[in-house]
Amino acid sequence: GQNIDQPTEMTATEGAIVQINCTYQTSGFNGLFWYQQHAGEAPTFLSYNVLDGLEEKGRFSSFLSRSKGYSYLLLKELQMKDSASYLCAPMDSNYQLIWGAGTKLIIKP
Amino acid sequence: IAGITQAPTSQILAAGRRMTLRCTQDMRHNAMYWYRQDLGLGLRLIHYSNTAGTTGKGEVPDGYSVSRANTDDFPLTLASAVPSQTSVYFCASSDSGQSEQFFGPGTRLTVL
Repeated sequence: GQNIDQPTEMTATEGAIVQINCTYQTSGFNGLFWYQQHAGEAPTFLSYNVLDGLEEKGRFSSFLSRSKGYSYLLLKELQMKDSASYLCAPMDSNYQLIWGAGTKLIIKP
Repeated sequence: IAGITQAPTSQILAAGRRMTLRCTQDMRHNAMYWYRQDLGLGLRLIHYSNTAGTTGKGEVPDGYSVSRANTDDFPLTLASAVPSQTSVYFCASSDSGQSEQFFGPGTRLTVL
């Protein structure tokens, strides 16, 4: 079957660094997306990895290891506005996104 | 304003009633999607359309139907609503099946 595993909730301090892990099992693989979703709002695209390695985009970086079925999202210099849920979504062989339940990130001052 | 819109923003509906959720995008994206999001669960795909004139079933299609008469519009219909269809519904679009999806603001639906 298809499965996504990411922590339900994490807490971090403003200005710090946090890593959100995601492990996945899918039928085929066509890349992995990370989305941010603030409470009561729609998800917004953060990053896409299709090859192994690290993709950096400003304060956010995303890493992928296809052989391990593993990805992480790294957030640096945390700001209060980064308090949100982070959704890991690999794409299967039918180009359908398989969504995890998301990791709720709480930033404390 | 470029983007994707949904209507209504929220709705309370009696069980057994018919309801259509509207979704319109002006980005000329080929693919469109309907998801539902329930507390503690990931987004679940209801129906999708890879291009105008075609539709496909997602993970949870029962009780829902869609049409894609043109590129811009992708309405979702609940023929006879049931309480288990209480959820937040998101419409999304993408340029192709492999590119990032852009989401509408969502419709919060309550079926009593």
